[in-house]
Amino acid sequence: EAGVAQSPRYKIIEKRQSVAFWCNPISGHATLYWYQQILGQGPKLLIQFQNNGVVDDSQLPKDRFSAERLKGVDSTLKIQPAKLEDSAVYLCASSLGGSLETQYFGPGTRLLVL
Amino acid sequence: RKEVEQDPGPFNVPEGATVAFNCTYSNSASQSFFWYRQDCRKEPKLLMSVYSSGNEDGRFTAQLNRASQYISLLIRDSKLSDSATYLCAYNNAGNMLTFGGGTRLMVKP
Repeated sequence: EAGVAQSPRYKIIEKRQSVAFWCNPISGHATLYWYQQILGQGPKLLIQFQNNGVVDDSQLPKDRFSAERLKGVDSTLKIQPAKLEDSAVYLCASSLGGSLETQYFGPGTRLLVL
Repeated sequence: RKEVEQDPGPFNVPEGATVAFNCTYSNSASQSFFWYRQDCRKEPKLLMSVYSSGNEDGRFTAQLNRASQYISLLIRDSKLSDSATYLCAYNNAGNMLTFGGGTRLMVKP
């Protein structure tokens, strides 16, 4: 079974530029999550989708970050404009959708903002 | 106070040793607890869930102490391949995971 797919795997941009990340969850998984993992820290949840609706985005810096999951499958996370402190790995995860379901992580997109 | 706290380590142990990590959490409403393993430059992968009664999977044993609000992971007979960062996490009813900062383990020959 294919896992969670993410692209690109690496991205280097200058501050104030825009960047977008893409995630394709495991087939049939209704719930999709975006996490930010800064070097030396654990992942921090940014946003959770259930199908195409947002369940929680309380930790998403909405002045510069946005995310969508229009058809309830793939999702994109955008940063506009990027800051130096946005340098991190952005992990996408998915789960079947019930409470307490196991989350499966994609390989992540490693972002460096210069 | 952080929601989930872990000793960042590194824990340097010889092959065959037994090593234990603790993780404390502050949210008493936390529902379920997990240990994830994260290799360098890789994504976290679920190692095991943690139950109140404790659970064991081969060389790995996890325990939950709700009264003291901590979970533990014990690794027996450490292998070189156990070298990784171990992340503890809990989720709430909405299945949102909160992670600790991770504990780094280095197993040496």
